[in-house]
Amino acid sequence: DAEITQSPRHKITETGRQVTLACHQTWNHNNMFWYRQDLGHGLRLIHYSYGVQDTNKGEVSDGYSVSRSNTEDLPLTLESAASSQTSVYFCASSAGTTGELFFGEGSRLTVL
Amino acid sequence: QKEVEQNSGPLSVPEGAIASLNCTYSDRGSQSFFWYRQYSGKSPELIMSIYSNGDKEDGRFTAQLNKASQYVSLLIRDSQPSDSATYLCAVNPAGNKLTFGGGTRVLVKP
Repeated sequence: DAEITQSPRHKITETGRQVTLACHQTWNHNNMFWYRQDLGHGLRLIHYSYGVQDTNKGEVSDGYSVSRSNTEDLPLTLESAASSQTSVYFCASSAGTTGELFFGEGSRLTVL
Repeated sequence: QKEVEQNSGPLSVPEGAIASLNCTYSDRGSQSFFWYRQYSGKSPELIMSIYSNGDKEDGRFTAQLNKASQYVSLLIRDSQPSDSATYLCAVNPAGNKLTFGGGTRVLVKP
């Protein structure tokens, strides 16, 4: 069965360190997204990609970067982790223009 | 003003009753509307999508859309304890990306 997987599922890091969260999907979807979820804010879009070599900033992109070198993967990098980036991160993918998203299991990141 | 607004709840309903959830959005150009369910500690999953004005029914769920009023709602009939979750309203204002509301927490009491 097609799926979307995230790793690591849980990570604790220190302020200032670089962190990369992996996202791998086997749906063969062109569209991939990274959201963060915090209490009181719901899901907020960080970055998204509509295909290989395409990346776009979302509403909360400061301090984050992504790259898309193939269809299956969209890693999210925190260049210098800050405590404000403690959150649950969800990767999602979709096909076409329907807007129906398939989510990964989430990655809980704690920045101390 | 947030782009997608929901009452955070919790919305407490007795088992067997109807749960009514509301969502308003600000972008009049939005064309696609979705309801996602998220259990505690889990990822969101799509339960309903609606694209045109009116009602759309799927099992115990009914989505209602009124584009003139910029309003989307979700009705859960015969609510069960397993319906206890957070329900996220999502809107597709442009392109293929979704904007989510903050979610409404629903508690169904036996």
